[in-house]
Amino acid sequence: QVQLQQSGPGLVKPSQTLSLTCAISGDTVFSISAAWNWIRQSPSRGLEWLGRTYYRAKWYNDYAVYVKSRIIINPDTSKNHFSLHLNSVTPDDTAVYYCTRETDVALDIWGLGTMVTVSS
Amino acid sequence: QSALTQPRSVSGSPGQSVTISCTGTNSDVGGYNYVSWYQQHPGKAPKLMIYDVTKRPSGVPDRFSGSKSGNTASLTISGLQSEDDADYYCCSYADNYSFEFGGGTKLTVL
Repeated sequence: QVQLQQSGPGLVKPSQTLSLTCAISGDTVFSISAAWNWIRQSPSRGLEWLGRTYYRAKWYNDYAVYVKSRIIINPDTSKNHFSLHLNSVTPDDTAVYYCTRETDVALDIWGLGTMVTVSS
Repeated sequence: QSALTQPRSVSGSPGQSVTISCTGTNSDVGGYNYVSWYQQHPGKAPKLMIYDVTKRPSGVPDRFSGSKSGNTASLTISGLQSEDDADYYCCSYADNYSFEFGGGTKLTVL
């Protein structure tokens, strides 16, 4: 059974970097049939796709246009993790952040979510 | 404002059927057969209910079905049960290798 375990701080100061990690169990970050995504959800903006990382003989990334200049999603192959780094955050980045597995162009496994508040 | 348009709320009595629509454009719903639907109960993560427009993951009851016509996808829930009371979100693969979501529909089982 595939599970995703999220970790990271729940409070980040404006202008700093939001960093979250997602630990994969029951699958591998090297899977050639999966991609590893980050999604966020807020009352004002609903569900938003942030981006993905995936391995197809080499590593690839896709990012949402609206965060492309300040986001990195990368794998940690030694720990079977993948991480989200979103820099220059503002209160508008306050949301519940989810890591998810993508297979067959759908998000079939979700982490429990991490509430991240951007505030000084 | 979400990229895909869903009704804010729908309701139905136990045993009835309801349909939730999801309208996009040629750049998302109309351009790809990769529409998925998610159910979310309060305080929980979304759960995949339909993928590839019409397919159900293992374990999802066959009361849930999906369809698409042009730029509009639909989720139909037949034989409503109390546990179906939840928020439902559509999602479509879109240009630029991205995903877009609908704003969500609150289903109330009366």
